[in-house]
Amino acid sequence: DIVMTQSPDSLAVSLGERATINCKSSQSVLYSSNNKNYLAWYQQKPGQPPKVLMYWASTRESGVPDRFSGSGSGTDFTLTISSLQAEDVAVYYCQQYYITPQTFGQGTKVEIK
Amino acid sequence: EVQLVESGGDLVQPGGSLRLSCAASGFTFSNYWMHWVRQGPEKGPVWVSRINPDGSSTDYAHSVKGRFTISRDNAKNTLYLQMNSLRVEDTAVYYCVRVPYYMEVWGKGTTVTVSS
Repeated sequence: DIVMTQSPDSLAVSLGERATINCKSSQSVLYSSNNKNYLAWYQQKPGQPPKVLMYWASTRESGVPDRFSGSGSGTDFTLTISSLQAEDVAVYYCQQYYITPQTFGQGTKVEIK
Repeated sequence: EVQLVESGGDLVQPGGSLRLSCAASGFTFSNYWMHWVRQGPEKGPVWVSRINPDGSSTDYAHSVKGRFTISRDNAKNTLYLQMNSLRVEDTAVYYCVRVPYYMEVWGKGTTVTVSS
């Protein structure tokens, strides 16, 4: 199974400041035949299911604010919130869909400083 | 509106059985792979099982293989998860998820509690 490791486990950021979450996979999730990274990011607020933010590592889901961006390739990925808003307080998960079983990182809790 | 609505969660004793259902609406159900994902208390999501659009191919997480069975009825736009030999560690919210590649659409979940 591919192990997904996120860092940090939690972070506190001031409103309007940048938040950066890292995700590392135990093997590459880049499919060479189409040059796509099979990596998604999800946001989960209390009492709600996860909601997809980014897929193919850097494609923003429809309706997701452009302050969210994703980058990286192969085994190392980053989710950036360029200007943290109060509604961004949540737990964020990366997930690989390169092979089954699809696996998630342990989550990063983002709070307001 | 695309919607997935799970049902069937309950409190059950260890060794018991449950069948979860997921009613899909707002899209052509028979075109999509469908998955079950669970999330234990204060834990991250964990993939459980998947089924292809016509129901001919299934996969399971190691932890549930041989105990859980995923199925679908495309005429009824419904996904199922039959859970047998339930264990305390199966306690979780179970989500039905539409998956073109990534986990695009999630239901609100149904809660399964395994306890004596």
